[in-house]
Amino acid sequence: GESVGLHLPTLSVQEGDNSIINCAYSNSASDYFIWYKQESGKGPQFIIDIRSNMDKRQGQRVTVLLNKTVKHLSLQIAATQPGDSAVYFCAERFSGSARQLTFGSGTQLTVLP
Amino acid sequence: DAGVTQSPTHLIKTRGQHVTLRCSPISGHKSVSWYQQVLGQGPQFIFQYYEKEERGRGNFPDRFSARQFPNYSSELNVNALLLGDSALYLCASSFAGQETQYFGPGTRLLVL
Repeated sequence: GESVGLHLPTLSVQEGDNSIINCAYSNSASDYFIWYKQESGKGPQFIIDIRSNMDKRQGQRVTVLLNKTVKHLSLQIAATQPGDSAVYFCAERFSGSARQLTFGSGTQLTVLP
Repeated sequence: DAGVTQSPTHLIKTRGQHVTLRCSPISGHKSVSWYQQVLGQGPQFIFQYYEKEERGRGNFPDRFSARQFPNYSSELNVNALLLGDSALYLCASSFAGQETQYFGPGTRLLVL
């Protein structure tokens, strides 16, 4: 089975609210994590990544938090907009596995007007 | 700058046929990876190539093969197609020494 999983398959938020998408991983040897956004009919779009030697990283309107103690990853989106509606995937890379990413099954984020 | 490009965008084949999918990485990127994404699931790793050599292979049968050319573009070949090979095939490229992979739009393959 997959080692990366998501707590919720769907998430609905009001426009302007903050969104939090969670992800659990099981491989303590993973050293790199990445979030992608995938809109219908398109390829995954890079959002933000983080190495295992960090616990927080911020981008434009997005923040990724990594808790290695409980093997948990989260993506926070500030002031969610309609254009943020998509499926969000987290992925991990096992240490030493070159660029092989293992993806979870995704969370569908729907932004309500 | 152009992102990762893939061709064709859509493809319909019948069982037993073979297919070749193509990928051009972002200019300057030397690493290309292929993923299969079945509807409703996350992408699953198939191959990674760097400097024309296979550097990683996922849990896929030998019917799947790939290669990378001197210009760093890549082809994914699938022989003896099965209905279960119907999926979105994604190509991702990355810059040498960096982990971030950038995906193309994918090729949607339907096997009838």
